[in-house]
Amino acid sequence: AQSVAQPEDQVNVAEGNPLTVKCTYSVSGNPYLFWYVQYPNRGLQFLLKYITGDNLVKGSYGFEAEFNKSQTSFHLKKPSALVSDSALYFCAGGGQGNLIFGKGTKLSVKP
Amino acid sequence: DADVTQTPRNRITKTGKRIMLECSQTKGHDRMYWYRQDPGLGLRLIYYSFDVKDINKGEISDGYSVSRQAQAKFSLSLESAIPNQTALYFCATSGVGSNQPQHFGDGTRLSIL
Repeated sequence: AQSVAQPEDQVNVAEGNPLTVKCTYSVSGNPYLFWYVQYPNRGLQFLLKYITGDNLVKGSYGFEAEFNKSQTSFHLKKPSALVSDSALYFCAGGGQGNLIFGKGTKLSVKP
Repeated sequence: DADVTQTPRNRITKTGKRIMLECSQTKGHDRMYWYRQDPGLGLRLIYYSFDVKDINKGEISDGYSVSRQAQAKFSLSLESAIPNQTALYFCATSGVGSNQPQHFGDGTRLSIL
């Protein structure tokens, strides 16, 4: 069965520090992988997607994601966190069939 | 104006009532989806439609039904609401292809007493 896992329920970082939000996947075939962000009382907003052959994908708001095939991971990163990055982040993936969403990671950035 | 619009944004109702949640989109996408979000469980797919004549069950379709009235409209119904259907419901659309991102509405918060 296909699955997407976000092992951390919450990540806390100080403003200005780098951040990483982790995601691992298990899908059949070539993976389709996405990151979304959700702010309070809003729907999910697309941040970035994996493009076959690119191990480092750049997306919106300065975010990027690192794809590692051997570790089946697609971690979200940002070199310098902002307080406004505080939100709920979802990884989603699929190979054949529909997208599977992770359970979400709450990112808290403190001044 | 929002590309994906959900109505109502909030609804409180009683057990046994019939509820309809509506979704409309101006993105011109063929594919539409309904999800529910529960704390700690992420998003789970209820139903999806790849075009007007296509309806498919998702992971948790029991207790729900859908109607694709037009390319731009996809509604979700709870025929007889029960308390464990209390959740945040999202509609989403996408272009054709598994590598196309989905675009979400702002959700309907549904409470069933």
